[in-house]
Amino acid sequence: SQKIEQNSEALNIQEGKTATLTCNYTNYSPAYLQWYRQDPGRGPVFLLLIRENEKEKRKERLKVTFDTTLKQSLFHITASQPADSATYLCALTGAGSYQLTFGKGTKLSVIP
Amino acid sequence: DAGVIQSPRHEVTEMGQEVTLRCKPISGHNSLFWYRQTMMRGLELLIYFNNNVPIDDSGMPEDRFSAKMPNASFSTLKIQPSEPRDSAVYFCASGDSSNQPQHFGDGTRLSIL
Repeated sequence: SQKIEQNSEALNIQEGKTATLTCNYTNYSPAYLQWYRQDPGRGPVFLLLIRENEKEKRKERLKVTFDTTLKQSLFHITASQPADSATYLCALTGAGSYQLTFGKGTKLSVIP
Repeated sequence: DAGVIQSPRHEVTEMGQEVTLRCKPISGHNSLFWYRQTMMRGLELLIYFNNNVPIDDSGMPEDRFSAKMPNASFSTLKIQPSEPRDSAVYFCASGDSSNQPQHFGDGTRLSIL
């Protein structure tokens, strides 16, 4: 069956360092991979989308990579700030599909 | 711009009662999704509407759950009768096409006693 794993339930990092979050998947051929941010008591907020034929996408301090051979995406936040503390979710969807399948998320805490 | 609006934000009710959750999607979006989020299972898709028509309800856990979208600006998710295991946060999301980023509301936290 399809499976998405975000390797760490929680990640603590010092302010100013680069945070790297991992998303692995099995039994899936996604056309798109998305990353969302979720704050406590709020809904997920879209951050970045990367297509299967793209290796890397950047937006300000955020960078996403997508390796379809390794079946893995890495999500980087450079120069991390306490305001980056949140849960980050990866989500996959197949070509022509409407269904987003979410990982359970990684809770990132940036320590001042 | 107004985002996806859900009501109520919190609902506490006793087992056996009917529960109705409401969602107003972003104007112009033609896709609407209902999700349930729990610690154990994460975010799970319950039902997907496209142009107000239910396309896939395979995620609806039981016949006790039903969803409607009478027009482009309103959807409901109903649980009747409710059970304690239905306790979760229910999210509504909308999008301007089926495989583009989804915009989530802030959810309804449902507690069934």
